[in-house]
Amino acid sequence: GAGVSQSPSNKVTEKGKDVELRCDPISGHTALYWYRQSLGQGLEFLIYFQGNSAPDKSGLPSDRFSAERTGGSVSTLTIQRTQQEDSAVYLCASSLMGLAVGELFFGEGSRLTVL
Amino acid sequence: AQTVTQSQPEMSVQEAETVTLSCTYDTSESNYYLFWYKQPPSRQMILVIRQEAYKQQNATENRFSVNFQKAAKSFSLKISDSQLGDTAMYFCAFRDDKIIFGKGTRLHILP
Repeated sequence: GAGVSQSPSNKVTEKGKDVELRCDPISGHTALYWYRQSLGQGLEFLIYFQGNSAPDKSGLPSDRFSAERTGGSVSTLTIQRTQQEDSAVYLCASSLMGLAVGELFFGEGSRLTVL
Repeated sequence: AQTVTQSQPEMSVQEAETVTLSCTYDTSESNYYLFWYKQPPSRQMILVIRQEAYKQQNATENRFSVNFQKAAKSFSLKISDSQLGDTAMYFCAFRDDKIIFGKGTRLHILP
């Protein structure tokens, strides 16, 4: 696609429910990143994928959070048993790997509100 | 671990003025990338400018330029002739394998 696509753009859920957030990166981009941005805050790194593998999961806040990527393309971030502190904008970004390029291309984010 | 620090949470300047946003970082790596990203109210993150650490020359993109001081681990962004459309959150970021962002500076351009 022309850019990074994320869905849903907005999600309101009840505490305790599971949610899935989807990211469709730019075609050909091998690296994919998930970040969380709480209201008025910076970007908190969650996880990144190189192809289908996740070399660095260190940012996942708890075992309620998981992510997968299939076919080297679409990624899904799943939050189980959501809590109110999970409310945030979840940003996905993709990039080409290698030292020659370094730019991340971001989606518009999925705003999650947990009531 | 790498860290990125932006010491100015919020700034305001008059339209057409020049403004400098500061950023410092900490790393033991010698080869890396540095970035400034802009996030307007629309939420879409947009790359403003980037700098390769092995290049001594400061990057420039139209009204945007950086002052990269590798020894001091400093990477400030200068916006010349500021415009109302420059109003946004600005994030400094460091990359080796993953990209680490600072907490951002909220910039207001006043008419």
